[in-house]
Amino acid sequence: QKEVEQDPGPLSVPEGAIVSLNCTYSNSAFQYFMWYRQYSRKGPELLMYTYSSGNKEDGRFTAQVDKSSKYISLFIRDSQPSDSATYLCAMSAEGTYKYIFGTGTRLKVLA
Amino acid sequence: NAGVTQTPKFQVLKTGQSMTLQCAQDMNHNSMYWYRQDPGMGLRLIYYSASEGTTDKGEVPNGYNVSRLNKREFSLRLESAAPSQTSVYFCASNGWGTEAYEQYFGPGTRLTVT
Repeated sequence: QKEVEQDPGPLSVPEGAIVSLNCTYSNSAFQYFMWYRQYSRKGPELLMYTYSSGNKEDGRFTAQVDKSSKYISLFIRDSQPSDSATYLCAMSAEGTYKYIFGTGTRLKVLA
Repeated sequence: NAGVTQTPKFQVLKTGQSMTLQCAQDMNHNSMYWYRQDPGMGLRLIYYSASEGTTDKGEVPNGYNVSRLNKREFSLRLESAAPSQTSVYFCASNGWGTEAYEQYFGPGTRLTVT
């Protein structure tokens, strides 16, 4: 079993929809949770970073962490065609500075 | 402020050839990383350097060596390339203090080994 599981998609939604992207994990030591966006043939770009449990909002993006269920989510409101990309989750335990990445979910937002 | 830069952008090697991938960051970051990205496998850590003068193996270090030349530069060397090393290679660096867990990536090097 992989430490971090992420549905590869593709996930296709109409413009304006609310998108929910998710990752599950098995290592209870993970405390830092990140979401990256990666456009085709580009490097990953950090979107959101959350420590421990709870929610964090930044514009149209909301990151949610449920440590009791070992489940994290990224919500995108009012999705736009420019949001079409692969979204990667990543996690790290305190003090390790090593990151475990999910395989990424490919999102397509249709105009 | 260029962030994280990588050279070359593309490379084709024959089996058995060697090459060095270069990475530099201008953000005064302490930690630097090398990953490979393959379809269906996500990003896998090859080596990392928590600070200048130290390097550690990641998940897939076999066939690679690294050098942390100074605080800015972290290179990855393939001594004898194999087709299994065909991949996209990303260098990354971490912020520090309150940004210690924020990782910034370079644009990648696409390597094909024939």
